[in-house]
Amino acid sequence: AQSVTQPDIHITVSEGASLELRCNYSYGATPYLFWYVQSPGQGLQLLLKYFSGDTLVQGIKGFEAEFKRSQSSFNLRKPSVHWSDAAEYFCAVGATTDSWGKLQFGAGTQVVVTP
Amino acid sequence: DTGVSQDPRHKITKRGQNVTFRCDPISEHNRLYWYRQTLGQGPEFLTYFQNEAQLEKSRLLSDRFSAERPKGSFSTLEIQRTEQGDSAMYLCASSSDMEKLFFGSGTQLSVL
Repeated sequence: AQSVTQPDIHITVSEGASLELRCNYSYGATPYLFWYVQSPGQGLQLLLKYFSGDTLVQGIKGFEAEFKRSQSSFNLRKPSVHWSDAAEYFCAVGATTDSWGKLQFGAGTQVVVTP
Repeated sequence: DTGVSQDPRHKITKRGQNVTFRCDPISEHNRLYWYRQTLGQGPEFLTYFQNEAQLEKSRLLSDRFSAERPKGSFSTLEIQRTEQGDSAMYLCASSSDMEKLFFGSGTQLSVL
């Protein structure tokens, strides 16, 4: 069965420290991979996506993610967290077909940033 | 672009009532998606349209749910005979063929 797992429900990080959010997926083939961020009262915003090619993907707001096929993982990283990065982060997968927008999301990781 | 707009932002209804939500996608986006998000979970796919054609529906979309996209512009999602289990955030997203979804802020439904 297809699934997306975000093992960490909640992460607390100090401002200026590095952040890594984990995402593992189970899928029939290598899917399209996405990271979205959701702030209270806001819609989901795409941080980055992986379709093919270079396995290290750069996104907006200083985020990057690395696709590791052997581990079925797509972890999100940021070298230095800002207070404005406090939000909920979702990993998602989509089929590499015309139905790519039918995304399957993980349960999310809530990030709290402390001074 | 002006973004994806959803109306209303909040809806409180009594069990058994019908409710309708509206989504206005980014203009000229030919694809429109509906998702549902419950507390502590990620969004779940419900259905999507390409222009006015509804191409796929999730098993989550029971026969009490109906979605339309007349003329391939805005879309409505109607829930008939609401149940407490329908309480959730209903999200709309649109895309062109550029493989990026733009989400609205959602409609929060509370069924009492």
